[in-house]
Amino acid sequence: NAGVTQTPKFQVLKTGQSMTLQCAQDMNHEYMSWYRQDPGMGLRLIHYSVGAGITDQGEVPNGYNVSRSTTEDFPLRLLSAAPSQTSVYFCASSRAEGGSYGYTFGSGTRLTVV
Amino acid sequence: AQSVTQPDIHITVSEGASLELRCNYSYGATPYLFWYVQSPGQGLQLLLKYFSGDTLVQGIKGFEAEFKRSQSSFNLRKPSVHWSDAAEYFCAVVPGAGSYQLTFGKGTKLSVIP
Repeated sequence: NAGVTQTPKFQVLKTGQSMTLQCAQDMNHEYMSWYRQDPGMGLRLIHYSVGAGITDQGEVPNGYNVSRSTTEDFPLRLLSAAPSQTSVYFCASSRAEGGSYGYTFGSGTRLTVV
Repeated sequence: AQSVTQPDIHITVSEGASLELRCNYSYGATPYLFWYVQSPGQGLQLLLKYFSGDTLVQGIKGFEAEFKRSQSSFNLRKPSVHWSDAAEYFCAVVPGAGSYQLTFGKGTKLSVIP
């Protein structure tokens, strides 16, 4: 019962580098999403997916790409990292619409772009 | 525009005192409502949620929240605060049945004076 697993937990990137934040869930949840958390801003939705092959933009999608080829995995890609992308990133998944069974969050990835 | 507002950025209370954290939302229909807590450097923990029915919802750790449709509010309360309650609290909203997207308020940081 791993839940939502995020890797890595910490990462330092140089400006312009690319990387992928991994998110995997083993609960067969159809909905998965990525948030970024910045001080005083709460959690803001970056991208989300309601099933394999289906993704959509959230509130702050610029600079990020996603794809969902399987139910289990929902990676977040930074193609050219910028200091403004320094943040803590959370992945979340849910079994059903409306969150009636709740949302499961990963433990987060702390990213620093220098 | 749809939004979630937590008017208080930071609240300080004495241990043993009562607590009320405010949350207001602006959505057309009755949304699904959540309160999460985040301790420093940690992930998110669900305190309670409201979908329908009794407007007073009991959660974990002695917290409760009351949904007031007329005021578009979902305030979190605790009768007696413990030092371990010091954390950041987030109100979150799903627009309703048929939607997955969870939108967070900016959070209220709670400090507890011994």
